[in-house]
Amino acid sequence: LAKTTQPISMDSYEGQEVNITCSHNNIATNDYITWYQQFPSQGPRFIIQGYKTKVTNEVASLFIPADRKSSTLSLPRVSLSDTAVYYCLVGRGSSNTGKLIFGQGTTLQVKP
Amino acid sequence: DVKVTQSSRYLVKRTGEKVFLECVQDMDHENMFWYRQDPGLGLRLIYFSYDVKMKEKGDIPEGYSVSREKKERFSLILESASTNQTSMYLCASRAYNTGLSSYEQYFGPGTRLTVT
Repeated sequence: LAKTTQPISMDSYEGQEVNITCSHNNIATNDYITWYQQFPSQGPRFIIQGYKTKVTNEVASLFIPADRKSSTLSLPRVSLSDTAVYYCLVGRGSSNTGKLIFGQGTTLQVKP
Repeated sequence: DVKVTQSSRYLVKRTGEKVFLECVQDMDHENMFWYRQDPGLGLRLIYFSYDVKMKEKGDIPEGYSVSREKKERFSLILESASTNQTSMYLCASRAYNTGLSSYEQYFGPGTRLTVT
């Protein structure tokens, strides 16, 4: 099973770009990479998902190198409201899925 | 909007009690999940169900069982609650997003269970 490793915490300032990297050395061929955001006392919220190369949506970008052993979540111009825990998830995209693995999460603190 | 609801936000039970945590989703999703979340350990998968009456163990199924009799409802059962099951329990359901060509999990608000 592909386990993930991410930094425990990161600090940033408003307006900066934040990059959070997740390592998943044992990722399987049919595994997707998904990132979630969680605020205190709430369930995680889907941010972005990708399989390879680069994916961008209105919230973030996800960079995945060719070997897929790591991925980087990029948050452009963060604000105070982006302070949250960010989880990297590696798992299968099929309906009868195998186990889904969450990383420990990265606590991002955005300062004014 | 997808809604995943959980029966209680906060629950206090005594050691040895049987505890039921209910989860309901309103979007006809096939896949549903139960996680627990503890400080420093992140989210850990307890059980998941990929269809009605189908279930599979996650990473930490010991001390738990589940029931999926209807597609919209996934129940987590603690047969005999213990203090080490004090935790935040999160339910999720999953659907395929055709726009993204991928799956998204939708989480409920969580149930904070305290076993005394």
